[in-house]
Amino acid sequence: DAGVTQTPRHEVAEKGQTIILKCEPVSGHNDLFWYRQTKIQGLELLSYFRSKSLMEDGGAFKDRFKAEMLNSSFSTLKIQPTEPKDSAVYLCASGVNYAEQFFGPGTRLTVL
Amino acid sequence: AQSVTQPDARVTVSEGASLQLRCKYSYFGTPYLFWYVQYPRQGLQLLLKYYPGDPVVQGVNGFEAEFSKSNSSFHLRKASVHWSDWAVYFCAVTGSWQLIFGSGTQLTVMP
Repeated sequence: DAGVTQTPRHEVAEKGQTIILKCEPVSGHNDLFWYRQTKIQGLELLSYFRSKSLMEDGGAFKDRFKAEMLNSSFSTLKIQPTEPKDSAVYLCASGVNYAEQFFGPGTRLTVL
Repeated sequence: AQSVTQPDARVTVSEGASLQLRCKYSYFGTPYLFWYVQYPRQGLQLLLKYYPGDPVVQGVNGFEAEFSKSNSSFHLRKASVHWSDWAVYFCAVTGSWQLIFGSGTQLTVMP
């Protein structure tokens, strides 16, 4: 089985740009998560989908971050507009019914 | 409040030595506990998981962990560390959909 796929692996953006990160979960998984990882803050939950329905939208990340799941095999995370403080690794994970989460390799975002 | 504490930000061991990485959790209810490992430039990979039952759980690559309800702990152990174990280790707890992660422990392996 293929694991969680994330594209691109690296992204460089200018301040103010719009970027879209993509994630393909493991086939058959009904839970999908987006996290942001930084050295200072560690792992922060951005959003959570269950069976394509948005269950958690990450509170503090609402204003410029939007995650969507148009079908069960594809999700996007849009950041608009980007700011330098958004530089981080963005991780996507999938799972089944509250069991363990399987993580993708991440997208490393640098905002100049 | 639910939380996970990994008190050691960095641990250094010699190759072949034994290892213990500490994890303390705070959770109201029945916890499910996990250890994940993150190698450089990669995502998190599951090492092992605890669901209520036998308190000692075995994982991949010779890792094991022991759940202690009385101590609210879930320490990770390995009898003999290999250089390829150089990575960041995360402890996590859940009782529902949300994983609560610790801040991670960077393991350095000396030759």
